[in-house]
Amino acid sequence: DAGVIQSPRHEVTEMGQEVTLRCKPISGHNSLFWYRQTMMRGLELLIYFNNNVPIDDSGMPEDRFSAKMPNASFSTLKIQPSEPRDSAVYFCASSLYRATDTQYFGPGTRLTVL
Amino acid sequence: RKEVEQDPGPFNVPEGATVAFNCTYSNSASQSFFWYRQDCRKEPKLLMSVYSSGNEDGRFTAQLNRASQYISLLIRDSKLSDSATYLCVVKMDSSYKLIFGSGTRLLVRP
Repeated sequence: DAGVIQSPRHEVTEMGQEVTLRCKPISGHNSLFWYRQTMMRGLELLIYFNNNVPIDDSGMPEDRFSAKMPNASFSTLKIQPSEPRDSAVYFCASSLYRATDTQYFGPGTRLTVL
Repeated sequence: RKEVEQDPGPFNVPEGATVAFNCTYSNSASQSFFWYRQDCRKEPKLLMSVYSSGNEDGRFTAQLNRASQYISLLIRDSKLSDSATYLCVVKMDSSYKLIFGSGTRLLVRP
């Protein structure tokens, strides 16, 4: 079975540009998470969706970040405008039920903002 | 103070060695505990859950000490393939939110 799919795997962009990261969760999972990982701050939860509805976006750093989940099989994380400090690895994860212990992570998108 | 604290390492050990990592957590309301493994430039993957009575999975043993608020992971007979970063993770049962430690890096040398 396919795991969580993310695209692109690598993104290099210039400051001020819009960046869109994409995620396809595991089929049948109804919870989706976006994380960011940096050396300084480790893994941080940005936003959590349950049944396509954003439940907790308290981890979204600022208004430049937005996330959508238009259907059960697709989610996007958008940064507009991007800044160098947004450089990080962005992971998408999904789990079967909200309360389940196991979150399955995608391979991540490595973002570099010049 | 960080919610989950780990020694970043690296722990550099020879093949066959036994190595142990500790992790401390600050929120006494934490109810679920896990160890995740993350290989270089890869995603985190669940290694094992940590149960109150302690649990073992092959060469890996996890222990929980609620009174002292720490979790440990013991790896026996280390393999080269065990080289990775080990992330300590805690969760409140009423919450979906996983709180990750910054990880402990393990290097197993031939």
